[in-house]
Amino acid sequence: GESVGLHLPTLSVQEGDNSIINCAYSNSASDYFIWYKQESGKGPQFIIDIRSNMDKRQGQRVTVLLNKTVKHLSLQIAATQPGDSAVYFCAEIISSAGGTSYGKLTFGQGTILTVHP
Amino acid sequence: KAGVTQTPRYLIKTRGQQVTLSCSPISGHRSVSWYQQTPGQGLQFLFEYFSETQRNKGNFPGRFSGRQFSNSRSEMNVSTLELGDSALYLCASSLLSTYEQYFGPGTRLTVT
Repeated sequence: GESVGLHLPTLSVQEGDNSIINCAYSNSASDYFIWYKQESGKGPQFIIDIRSNMDKRQGQRVTVLLNKTVKHLSLQIAATQPGDSAVYFCAEIISSAGGTSYGKLTFGQGTILTVHP
Repeated sequence: KAGVTQTPRYLIKTRGQQVTLSCSPISGHRSVSWYQQTPGQGLQFLFEYFSETQRNKGNFPGRFSGRQFSNSRSEMNVSTLELGDSALYLCASSLLSTYEQYFGPGTRLTVT
């Protein structure tokens, strides 16, 4: 049968506003998290990462917050610009009994961010 | 530094055929991972190669295979194509000691 597309969460903001994109993860063994941005027709682009032993990490205009208690990750974008319009994915790497799964990212469903001028 | 390159960028195949996609990682990167992206399933991990060995594998049928060469370039092959294999196939490379993966632009495969 016909596949049903994922219904991605959407976030619409005005240029200059701050944006907050959220992500929930389920595996307590996740030890590394990454945020990616994907523009139409392109591959995902690395934004920022954070290890599980950290709560917060800041980059240029972006901040990632990790709350391990509730298994929640967020990406904050300051002074959002039209060029920030894209789909944003969180991804995690999960440790296993055999060691950390290098090279295997487990992606969230993504959030569509639209920035209006 | 040149980014990850993937060839071809677009491909149209007929059901039952096979296809080979190519990925050249960033110079110095020894790990190459492959992902399938579809509207229905999102981004899903296929497999990862390091030093010509498959280190990790996702939950895909055996029709999906890959390999890595001594220069770290990688290929993935899909045999007996099905309509559901239509997707964007993404390759990502990373250094040995870091988790950070850099993605290529992908190969858009359409199976008719």
